[in-house]
Amino acid sequence: DGGITQSPKYLFRKEGQNVTLSCEQNLNHDAMYWYRQDPGQGLRLIYYSQIVNDFQKGDIAEGYSVSREKKESFPLTVTSAQKNPTAFYLCASSIAGTETYEQYFGPGTRLTVT
Amino acid sequence: KQEVTQIPAALSVPEGENLVLNCSFTDSAIYNLQWFRQDPGKGLTSLLLIQSSQREQTSGRLNASLDKSSGRSTLYIAASQPGDSATYLCAVPDSSYKLIFGSGTRLLVRP
Repeated sequence: DGGITQSPKYLFRKEGQNVTLSCEQNLNHDAMYWYRQDPGQGLRLIYYSQIVNDFQKGDIAEGYSVSREKKESFPLTVTSAQKNPTAFYLCASSIAGTETYEQYFGPGTRLTVT
Repeated sequence: KQEVTQIPAALSVPEGENLVLNCSFTDSAIYNLQWFRQDPGKGLTSLLLIQSSQREQTSGRLNASLDKSSGRSTLYIAASQPGDSATYLCAVPDSSYKLIFGSGTRLLVRP
């Protein structure tokens, strides 16, 4: 089956620890995205990548880092510099650079930092 | 800067009712508009995508319309069912193809 997988579904960490969220897609999409969702605030873009080995900051990139070494994978690291990391994180992918494009989303990872 | 607004924020209707969800955007120069459904604790499921050249798209009981000149889209759900209860989000891409989302409409269909 084609799709986007995110792991783990739930993640718990102590404050001050870095944590990496996994996102893998087998849709052969060039573009991948990370969003953060907080209650009542909708989705906000953290980072996006339109091609391997290249990525750009979104609206709320501070305290996060990403890599795009393979087309299928776009891991997100939440660093200790992120002041409020507890949130629901969603990964998405799409065919880049066309007007007829649709974003597909993974099932999400809920991160809780205490 | 593109802004997307969804009204109402929450809606509760009895089963069987037809309903309309609204989405408005400030910059009419959009490539397309996408409607999503999100169940609690889950990811987003794409429902419909309307290209900028289209006026509407239909999928089963769902019909989405687009009026670029007025900066509006509506999602029409016919004969609502309890299984339609979810949060519905609309989104438009900006010039870099990133999606700008509304805050969503939380729908409850009562049996």
